[in-house]
Amino acid sequence: AQSVTQLDSHVSVSEGTPVLLRCNYSSSYSPSLFWYVQHPNKGLQLLLKYTSAATLVKGINGFEAEFKKSETSFHLTKPSAHMSDAAEYFCSGGYQKVTFGTGTKLQVIP
Amino acid sequence: DVKVTQSSRYLVKRTGEKVFLECVQDMDHENMFWYRQDPGLGLRLIYFSYDVKMKEKGDIPEGYSVSREKKERFSLILESASTNQTSMYLCASSSGTASGNTIYFGEGSWLTVV
Repeated sequence: AQSVTQLDSHVSVSEGTPVLLRCNYSSSYSPSLFWYVQHPNKGLQLLLKYTSAATLVKGINGFEAEFKKSETSFHLTKPSAHMSDAAEYFCSGGYQKVTFGTGTKLQVIP
Repeated sequence: DVKVTQSSRYLVKRTGEKVFLECVQDMDHENMFWYRQDPGLGLRLIYFSYDVKMKEKGDIPEGYSVSREKKERFSLILESASTNQTSMYLCASSSGTASGNTIYFGEGSWLTVV
């Protein structure tokens, strides 16, 4: 079975400090992997995606993620959190069928 | 920009009512999806369609049906709404056949069944 697992349901950071949201995947094949962001009462918006090109993927709003096959991980990072980053983040991916993680709520403390 | 439009943002329906959730996309995408989003459970796929008049069951199809008579429109139908179907419903679309294609989402429809 192919799946993604988000390791934290809630992450809290101070404004200006780094953000790390963790995602592991399980797949027998190299999957396509995505990070989406959802602001309150909105749909999901694509942040970035990995499709077997460069392992370090840069996305919108200063986010990036690194595909690490040895660790089966695709963690999302940002060097400095902004208040507007407070939202829920979803990792998704798969080889033939796309599945979504259960989400990580990011709180940014002023 | 791809636009996925869900016509109803907030609905309140009574138990046993038939409910229609409508979704339209404007990018000529082949694939359309209906997800349900509940706290702590993430997004769960209800049904998807890869072509007009075609549909496939997702992970939680029970209690739902879908209709795709035109390429741009994908409707989710709750034949007899129940309180456990109170949820946020997200419509989405994508192009092509590869799982590497971006999925574009609508803004969601909040359904409350009383």
